[in-house]
Amino acid sequence: DQQVKQNSPSLSVQEGRISILNCDYTNSMFDYFLWYKKYPAEGPTFLISISSIKDKNEDGRFTVFLNKSAKHLSLHIVPSQPGDSAVYFCAASEAGGSYIPTFGRGTSLIVHP
Amino acid sequence: NAGVTQTPKFQVLKTGQSMTLQCAQDMNHNSMYWYRQDPGMGLRLIYYSASEGTTDKGEVPNGYNVSRLNKREFSLRLESAAPSQTSVYFCASTPFPTGRDSSYNEQFFGPGTRLTVL
Repeated sequence: DQQVKQNSPSLSVQEGRISILNCDYTNSMFDYFLWYKKYPAEGPTFLISISSIKDKNEDGRFTVFLNKSAKHLSLHIVPSQPGDSAVYFCAASEAGGSYIPTFGRGTSLIVHP
Repeated sequence: NAGVTQTPKFQVLKTGQSMTLQCAQDMNHNSMYWYRQDPGMGLRLIYYSASEGTTDKGEVPNGYNVSRLNKREFSLRLESAAPSQTSVYFCASTPFPTGRDSSYNEQFFGPGTRLTVL
């Protein structure tokens, strides 16, 4: 049973437009959420995170929104660039638990020039 | 700093052969992890080591063993490889958790080992 779900396997966006990647979770004990970016033939790299005490965290072109009541988070990339084309993994963990994140299956983002 | 390094980058095995995947980190991190990534399956945790001297099973430990050789190194062993173990393997590390509202559990990943079992 997936505790972290990324229901869109792929997303295609035009350069300069907004990319919105979604993630849903089922475990109400999750209180820390992360996004990782992965290029082909490389390991994932940390992108941005958010604690459950916040509902928004921004870092340059990347913003993560958290809706705890809906158990939903989203990653917004504005404006999207061709170099953003990658697989994005959503992950969630519980501070009071093992703190090891549970990963979603990933969304492949393609940004067209 | 090299970060997290993994060897080898590629490996082809025959069913029943054994091999060890090596991982090392130079960031003085306490915790280390082994994941496998399969198409459409995301990253699944095989084993982890919360600190030197300890190891624990993750989500998919069957068919694997691990050794936390020292603080820097964490190896993954396949004793008798099976085609179902064809995958890309990633090693990762994290500093010891330091607090709630921080990136205490941001993981640093190695470049991966692509393993094919025939």
